Amino acid sequence: AQSVTQLGSHVSVSEGALVLLRCNYSSSVPPYLFWYVQYPNQGLQLLLKYTTGATLVKGINGFEAEFKKSETSFHLTKPSAHMSDAAEYFCAVSDSPDDMRFGAGTRLTVKP
Amino acid sequence: KAGVTQTPRYLIKTRGQQVTLSCSPISGHRSVSWYQQTPGQGLQFLFEYFSETQRNKGNFPGRFSGRQFSNSRSEMNVSTLELGDSALYLCASSLAVGRSLYEQYFGPGTRLTVT
Repeated sequence: AQSVTQLGSHVSVSEGALVLLRCNYSSSVPPYLFWYVQYPNQGLQLLLKYTTGATLVKGINGFEAEFKKSETSFHLTKPSAHMSDAAEYFCAVSDSPDDMRFGAGTRLTVKP
Repeated sequence: KAGVTQTPRYLIKTRGQQVTLSCSPISGHRSVSWYQQTPGQGLQFLFEYFSETQRNKGNFPGRFSGRQFSNSRSEMNVSTLELGDSALYLCASSLAVGRSLYEQYFGPGTRLTVT
């Protein structure tokens, strides 16, 4: 069964700084990988997903993630943080169409 | 296009009571999934409905049940509420079955507090 680990429950960056949120997964088959964002008092919104093909995936709001099979990682990055990026971010992994496991989440704080 | 709506947004119940939560999916979406979100357990999958049939189920006790109507609207019910049922309950809709194949669109959730 697949699982996902998000390193760091809280990450704080300054506005304009690089955002790096870490996600490692375990899966016995090539996985589908996802990043979701949850703003306060809202549901989750899909940022990006990896299925097959290009390992660098671009998403909404300037975020991107790179699938590294050798490292079993799918870290989320954004070159320059904006105040509006403050939210909770969830990594998710799936190795079958009917299953998806979410990580515990990382709360991103952006300091002015 | 209107998003996923959930009612009510907030609910306070007492232990032992039962509760029904409602979810209206995006127009044209036929699959509805329910999740429980808590600080301790994170996001956990409850069940998925498609064409009025439960297609997938998570690892929750039988006190948690759901149904889907012909217009794809869904309800979930929790009977004999326990303190540990306090959580944010999220509903997500998608075009068809397969949560990793079809993008899920989440509603804002229903915050349930059990006292």
